[in-house]
Amino acid sequence: EDQVTQSPEALRLQEGESSSLNCSYTVSGLRGLFWYRQDPGKGPEFLFTLYSAGEEKEKERLKATLTKKESFLHITAPKPEDSATYLCAVQANAGNQFYFGTGTSLTVIP
Amino acid sequence: NAGVMQNPRHLVRRRGQEARLRCSPMKGHSHVYWYRQLPEEGLKFMVYLQKENIIDESGMPKERFSAEFPKEGPSILRIQQVVRGDSAAYFCASSRSGSETQYFGPGTRLLVL
Repeated sequence: EDQVTQSPEALRLQEGESSSLNCSYTVSGLRGLFWYRQDPGKGPEFLFTLYSAGEEKEKERLKATLTKKESFLHITAPKPEDSATYLCAVQANAGNQFYFGTGTSLTVIP
Repeated sequence: NAGVMQNPRHLVRRRGQEARLRCSPMKGHSHVYWYRQLPEEGLKFMVYLQKENIIDESGMPKERFSAEFPKEGPSILRIQQVVRGDSAAYFCASSRSGSETQYFGPGTRLLVL
């Protein structure tokens, strides 16, 4: 069964304290892995798409990496405005739907 | 370029009433997906549609729920005879043909009293 597990559930960082969020997945043929950011009361905002092991994508303080079993979202020198829930989703070759994890709630303290 | 539009943003219904949720995809996008998000749970896929076609409804409850994406106008998710367990945030996403990336709307928060 296709599934996604994200850890930790919640993370508190001091401003400037770098860390990583983990997304472990089981899928019968990966078509793509997606990272989103969701602020309270809003819809998920697209961040990255990764397609194959070894691929990396960067955007400002965020960097996403992918292996055959997991993806990491690295946050370098975070700022309070990076506080949000970060969602990971996978799409299998056989279907169209996304399977989402339950997210990591990140709080960056000034 | 406007993003995915959903309305209403908030909807209150009493048990037994009908709820209609609307979604207008991004310009140039012909694929629409509906997801449901319950408190403390992840987003769950419900249905995938293209214009005038339901492609995958494997996540839709068998009863009371239906979806459409007509040739003209927005996609509509319809919930008949709502129950308290239907209270959730419903998100619509759209994608361009040939692209896997889905862009999400702001959601409709349904509260059933």
